[in-house]
Amino acid sequence: DADVTQTPRNRITKTGKRIMLECSQTKGHDRMYWYRQDPGLGLRLIYYSFDVKDINKGEISDGYSVSRQAQAKFSLSLESAIPNQTALYFCATSDPIGQGKNNEQFFGPGTRLTVL
Amino acid sequence: QKEVEQDPGPLSVPEGAIVSLNCTYSNSAFQYFMWYRQYSRKGPELLMYTYSSGNKEDGRFTAQVDKSSKYISLFIRDSQPSDSATYLCAMSYSNDYKLSFGAGTTVTVRA
Repeated sequence: DADVTQTPRNRITKTGKRIMLECSQTKGHDRMYWYRQDPGLGLRLIYYSFDVKDINKGEISDGYSVSRQAQAKFSLSLESAIPNQTALYFCATSDPIGQGKNNEQFFGPGTRLTVL
Repeated sequence: QKEVEQDPGPLSVPEGAIVSLNCTYSNSAFQYFMWYRQYSRKGPELLMYTYSSGNKEDGRFTAQVDKSSKYISLFIRDSQPSDSATYLCAMSYSNDYKLSFGAGTTVTVRA
């Protein structure tokens, strides 16, 4: 089984709808991240969480919110989706102090979101 | 200006060629430099990891860091069709901090 899973893998929705993307991990890592990937822009950090009680905004948090339900679960919400939020979304985990390779991040398979 | 600049390509080379990829950055505080490889419809995976300046070799892959020029490179020798992917550079201030990514370069190795 994959260490970092994301659901759904693909989603098409309409402008104004609320959308939740979910991420689960079995790696036992404390740190989790949400990125979006757009052609020509690379990966941009939306939110990150260093433990269950710690949530931080990334460089492009406007229009998004997150919830860290447990060490293993980190959800990303779009309260009112708009077309320019159409992108590929990735969840990632890391454990720089423990068994991870320094600051290596482990990525899920991604969610392709289309907002019409 | 973005913190990390990377030419998105695309780059197409024949099998067996040397692939040369690079990134420049503006913040001299970056100390840790990485290359991630991303196959189509997959998440990125760490390929190479380097601390500070110097070279690191792993099989057909060589990563170079020139902090004086704020420039990092990845070389792939004897490229194979299985090397066809998007390569993203990433860097951070410390071992305990979030990453800044380049835009990614898409590479196709033709058989």
